[in-house]
Amino acid sequence: GESVGLHLPTLSVQEGDNSIINCAYSNSASDYFIWYKQESGKGPQFIIDIRSNMDKRQGQRVTVLLNKTVKHLSLQIAATQPGDSAVYFCAVNSGYSTLTFGKGTMLLVSP
Amino acid sequence: NAGVMQNPRHLVRRRGQEARLRCSPMKGHSHVYWYRQLPEEGLKFMVYLQKENIIDESGMPKERFSAEFPKEGPSILRIQQVVRGDSAAYFCASSPTGPDSGNTIYFGEGSWLTVV
Repeated sequence: GESVGLHLPTLSVQEGDNSIINCAYSNSASDYFIWYKQESGKGPQFIIDIRSNMDKRQGQRVTVLLNKTVKHLSLQIAATQPGDSAVYFCAVNSGYSTLTFGKGTMLLVSP
Repeated sequence: NAGVMQNPRHLVRRRGQEARLRCSPMKGHSHVYWYRQLPEEGLKFMVYLQKENIIDESGMPKERFSAEFPKEGPSILRIQQVVRGDSAAYFCASSPTGPDSGNTIYFGEGSWLTVV
């Protein structure tokens, strides 16, 4: 089955810095990848997704990079703000109907 | 445009009681998923349903847990004879078409079950 791991449980940055959150997956057949943001007491909020036919996708202040060779996914947040403080999960499709989630990285942004 | 609606948001049950969690998908979405999140863990898939059909229940515990998505009304996740280990956040998600088409899956705000 699929396993998804995040490299760092906690990432502390200063406001204005760029943040990079990493994720590794195991199944080379996975073809759809999503980053979610979860604030305390709330549900996961969609941030950005990428399909396996791409290696980079940009949104507003966020970029997702996909390296299929090493099965690695990253989320870059530019000019991190206090409101970005949350737990970030990567999710990978791992079958017809399931997403496999990593355990999450807590991003702490200090002013 | 209402998102995925879940209720109750918080539920306390004594051991042995039943818990019923409800989920109304986003408008226009006919595919519903239930996930469970234990403290400081990622979300774990439980079940995927379409109207009146269970498509994939590979993540559901074999006993005490059941799910339905009737023709009318919300999807229901039912936990019978709850135990302390059932304490978790239960998230419902929905998508307009099946997950294999790569459609984004949107989550509700969750139902937090506490078993005392």
